Amino acid sequence: GAVVSQHPSRVICKSGTSVKIECRSLDFQATTMFWYRQFPKQSLMLMATSNEGSKATYEQGVEKDKFLINHASLTLSTLTVTSAHPEDSSFYICSARADSWQYFGPGTRLTVL
Amino acid sequence: GESVGLHLPTLSVQEGDNSIINCAYSNSASDYFIWYKQESGKGPQFIIDIRSNMDKRQGQRVTVLLNKTVKHLSLQIAATQPGDSAVYFCAENTGTASKLTFGTGTRLQVTL
Repeated sequence: GAVVSQHPSRVICKSGTSVKIECRSLDFQATTMFWYRQFPKQSLMLMATSNEGSKATYEQGVEKDKFLINHASLTLSTLTVTSAHPEDSSFYICSARADSWQYFGPGTRLTVL
Repeated sequence: GESVGLHLPTLSVQEGDNSIINCAYSNSASDYFIWYKQESGKGPQFIIDIRSNMDKRQGQRVTVLLNKTVKHLSLQIAATQPGDSAVYFCAENTGTASKLTFGTGTRLQVTL
């Protein structure tokens, strides 16, 4: 149990376009989901906390207008990278919280050309 | 392991040997710690956790030690196998909305 999926697993887009990444908890409900970004050979950095039915809480230095988060249901949170640029190329990972545990998705590799 | 710029510290061990991966955490108020394993191109995979009221916890082939005095965490893997090759991260719960702060990571390479 406690499986989290992400879609797509990898995406390549042109600079200036927007990309949406989905995070789903498949067999449990999650009122809270987290979005992380990981650059090559670096650690996971928390971007924002996504709460169902309310606005996301962004970490310091993360632009909320650039990284739009929507948590419209208890099983789905989406991260939209708006006007993507090459420096946004990264591995984006979500997690879903159940009780005191966080279950991680497999990640989405974003490449912006 | 200590972070060295953008290069992950690497620990090389022979198959069958024991591995010890270290982590220094930052927040003395953290009350929950987790070790994750991350294989290339995948999300983190839970290995073992420990609460701050404990100093040792054992799992299957893995042991986590917590030294709150020096804010140090270690992961011991017994009889290391090739499948253990991955990057290992410690994470601390800051206590606020279950947010996790990840350490810099250590790459474990298992040689035959």
